[in-house]
Amino acid sequence: GESVGLHLPTLSVQEGDNSIINCAYSNSASDYFIWYKQESGKGPQFIIDIRSNMDKRQGQRVTVLLNKTVKHLSLQIAATQPGDSAVYFCAENISNTGNQFYFGTGTSLTVIP
Amino acid sequence: DSGVTQTPKHLITATGQRVTLRCSPRSGDLSVYWYQQSLDQGLQFLIHYYNGEERAKGNILERFSAQQFPDLHSELNLSSLELGDSALYFCASSVRNSGAYTQYFGPGTRLTVL
Repeated sequence: GESVGLHLPTLSVQEGDNSIINCAYSNSASDYFIWYKQESGKGPQFIIDIRSNMDKRQGQRVTVLLNKTVKHLSLQIAATQPGDSAVYFCAENISNTGNQFYFGTGTSLTVIP
Repeated sequence: DSGVTQTPKHLITATGQRVTLRCSPRSGDLSVYWYQQSLDQGLQFLIHYYNGEERAKGNILERFSAQQFPDLHSELNLSSLELGDSALYFCASSVRNSGAYTQYFGPGTRLTVL
């Protein structure tokens, strides 16, 4: 079956430092990826997406890197703030299954003031 | 605010009972997805509807069913509830963005089965 996994279940960073959250995916046919942020008791919030024809995409304070060779995805958060504390999920879209996504279990990011 | 609404926010019920969760997608979105999120678990895909028709099924139990109505809102029906059904239930709607479908999630319904 499909698997989307995260390398680290928890990550703690100092406020102001950069954070890197990693994700591995297993299906080389995946062509679209999304990073979501989920705060406690809330629904997943779209952060940034990337297609398989790209290696890098930048948003506001966030950058997603895609390495198709090793099937690895990362989310970089610059100047991490306390409000960034949350669980971060990567989601993988496999085109031959339509627009169904597969989600990892998430990485819990804690920002230390 | 994603534009996806879900009601109720919290639901507490007993084993053996039946509940209905409601979702309204973002304006203009034709797709609705339902997910279950248990403690320490990732999002588990349950079912996908597009413009009133079932499009895909995931790990949805036979005790669970869903439908999407002409106004595009969707309901997830959970019956013969068991303790293990306690979870967060999310719906998402999707918008096509240059060939890819981006899913936006609602705030969820927290179901507690006692």
